[in-house]
Amino acid sequence: KQEVTQIPAALSVPEGENLVLNCSFTDSAIYNLQWFRQDPGKGLTSLLLIQSSQREQTSGRLNASLDKSSGRSTLYIAASQPGDSATYLCAVSNAGGTSYGKLTFGQGTILTVHP
Amino acid sequence: EPEVTQTPSHQVTQMGQEVILRCVPISNHLYFYWYRQILGQKVEFLVSFYNNEISEKSEIFDDQFSVERPDGSNFTLKIRSTKLEDSAMYFCASSRGENTEAFFGQGTRLTVV
Repeated sequence: KQEVTQIPAALSVPEGENLVLNCSFTDSAIYNLQWFRQDPGKGLTSLLLIQSSQREQTSGRLNASLDKSSGRSTLYIAASQPGDSATYLCAVSNAGGTSYGKLTFGQGTILTVHP
Repeated sequence: EPEVTQTPSHQVTQMGQEVILRCVPISNHLYFYWYRQILGQKVEFLVSFYNNEISEKSEIFDDQFSVERPDGSNFTLKIRSTKLEDSAMYFCASSRGENTEAFFGQGTRLTVV
C-alpha cells in the first residue's frame, strides 16, 4: 500500500527566503507526482505535475524534482512571499493494476511566510 | 480558465438523512473522482468513475455511498443515512486522461449533526 510522507509538517520563514519542501513515497512504481496548494477551508490548486519519466518541472518561482527510484520529491520555492502562505500537498498516482488515476496524498506542509 | 465547480459549498444535515453533493467537472475531461478530507487529516480517495461506471473505490466507499453521472455535465455523490463521522470536506476532481493532471473543485463542507 502506497504511503506518502511530507516533511516538515510546518515551516515558518521570513519573506524573501528560498525554501524546500520534501515528499517521500514508499512504492516507487508511480505514473506521476503532483504538488498542490490548499488555502484554509478551500480546495486544492494544482501547482506542478511531474511524470515518472521526468526529473523536474518548473513553473515561475516553483521547481519540483523527482527521484523515483529513491521515492522522493522536493518542491523548491524561490524568493518566498507572504502570499505563498498555505498548505502544500504532495500526491502520487500509482502505476500498474487498475489505479485509474487514484491519488494518494501526504499530510501536507503548512507554510507561513511572514513579512 | 475551465474549472471544476461544486455545490453546495456548505451543507448541514441531520444524522440519518440522505445528502447529494454535486459537481460539474471540466467539460472535456473523461475521468471523475471524489475525495474527502476529515478536519486535520489527509485527503482520502473515495471513488473514480470512467465511461459511466465506477473504475475503482476505496474501502471507505461502502453501500452507504453511490455516484452518478445523470447527464453530460453533472457528477454526483449520494450519501445515504449520514453518520456523524461523515462530516468532512468532500472534493470532486476530474482529469482528461487516466494519469494526467487532476483538477479539484473548491469542495463541499458537509456537517452532520
